[in-house]
Amino acid sequence: AQKITQTQPGMFVQEKEAVTLDCTYDTSDPSYGLFWYKQPSSGEMIFLIYQGSYDQQNATEGRYSLNFQKARKSANLVISASQLGDSAMYFCAMREGYSSASKIIFGSGTRLSIRP
Amino acid sequence: DVKVTQSSRYLVKRTGEKVFLECVQDMDHENMFWYRQDPGLGLRLIYFSYDVKMKEKGDIPEGYSVSREKKERFSLILESASTNQTSMYLCASSLGQVGDTQYFGPGTRLTVL
Repeated sequence: AQKITQTQPGMFVQEKEAVTLDCTYDTSDPSYGLFWYKQPSSGEMIFLIYQGSYDQQNATEGRYSLNFQKARKSANLVISASQLGDSAMYFCAMREGYSSASKIIFGSGTRLSIRP
Repeated sequence: DVKVTQSSRYLVKRTGEKVFLECVQDMDHENMFWYRQDPGLGLRLIYFSYDVKMKEKGDIPEGYSVSREKKERFSLILESASTNQTSMYLCASSLGQVGDTQYFGPGTRLTVL
């Protein structure tokens, strides 16, 4: 069964608008972490934001925030005031457990395109 | 800043060749990972290592092997390259603490003819 689901293969957004990228996950482990990565056309994966399953507040990093809804098992990424440089692939990922050797599982990604 | 480097950005090999992909990190990270990335499939874990000389199979280890003789270096080996191994290969490392993230290299785009 797929553990990380990103249902939006591609999105187009007007510059300066906010955008929400969807991510749902599936796990029975009470301890887990959720990540979002950005991959520009250059290919390098860039870490954006992290949310632990026990964190009380939604994570924020500059223009990025993670809308964590634990009961719904969703971890949507919100980008405020989008910029042309935000055009990239975005991956949601999850680590089950807190072991240092725990694997990270990635979703299939969403390609975000920002229109000027 | 964490630096993860991969030996090649682009590589073209022939079917049956033995291929080595090298990854080096400079931050004394415990864990290192090899992924392949294919359109529509996201990143899939091939192998990972949480210590020198230790290795664990990921989700798709068939056709691959790895070597970690030194903490900073993690090599992915294709014993006999096949066309279905044409892909983007990404290396990553992490410190190995609760909640830590993985830091990725720039990737190697491998084409097997």
